[in-house]
Amino acid sequence: QLQLQESGPGLVKPSETLSLTCTVSGASISSRDYHWGWIRQPPGKGLEWIGSLLYGGSTYSHPSLKSRVTISLDASKNQFSLKLNSATAADTAVYYCTRDRASGSYYYSDSWGQGTLVTVSS
Amino acid sequence: SFELTQSPSVSVSPGQTASITCSGKRLGDKFVCWIHQRPGQPPVVVIYEDSKRPSGIPERFSGSNSGNTATLTISGTQSVDEGDYYCQSWDVSSSVVFGGGTKLTVL
Repeated sequence: QLQLQESGPGLVKPSETLSLTCTVSGASISSRDYHWGWIRQPPGKGLEWIGSLLYGGSTYSHPSLKSRVTISLDASKNQFSLKLNSATAADTAVYYCTRDRASGSYYYSDSWGQGTLVTVSS
Repeated sequence: SFELTQSPSVSVSPGQTASITCSGKRLGDKFVCWIHQRPGQPPVVVIYEDSKRPSGIPERFSGSNSGNTATLTISGTQSVDEGDYYCQSWDVSSSVVFGGGTKLTVL
């Protein structure tokens, strides 16, 4: 059974880098059938797509975050990571890692982690 | 940029049919998925590619998409169906886009 688990600091100082890791069990992130991505949800607000990565392929990210986002895969650990530079209070959110199905015409996240709250504050 | 619009809230009586809509320019030309989120829980996809149900999702959930509007229909709504519902689509220029969410209340 597929499981995704986010991990990382729950508190990040403004201007520093927000870093999270997603550990995947029950599937290989080396599979080219799926993208691996990140979605966030500010407290009390809606969902916002951050980006995703296909093993051995391209990275996709939200236009408004593209300059600050890095998503990478570590196949040896079956993990993928998110780095968001120059964090501000607006980046405070629950962050979900996801497994995504994508083609040229559709995109959806078929599995989600439990989510982890990251607060950006001094 | 591509945007999706949802009504903030919908109320329905138990056993009745709930319809949640999502509008966007020429949305019918794109695929839509629907996501359900209960308070404090991670989201779950209930419909993908406009009308397909993932395994484990009850048959009372159905979807359609035409013109500028996609619709999620819940037949025989139950209290467990309460929560927030988000539509989501993909646009080449805007990437993955979510609607603002609709809060479903089963009275």
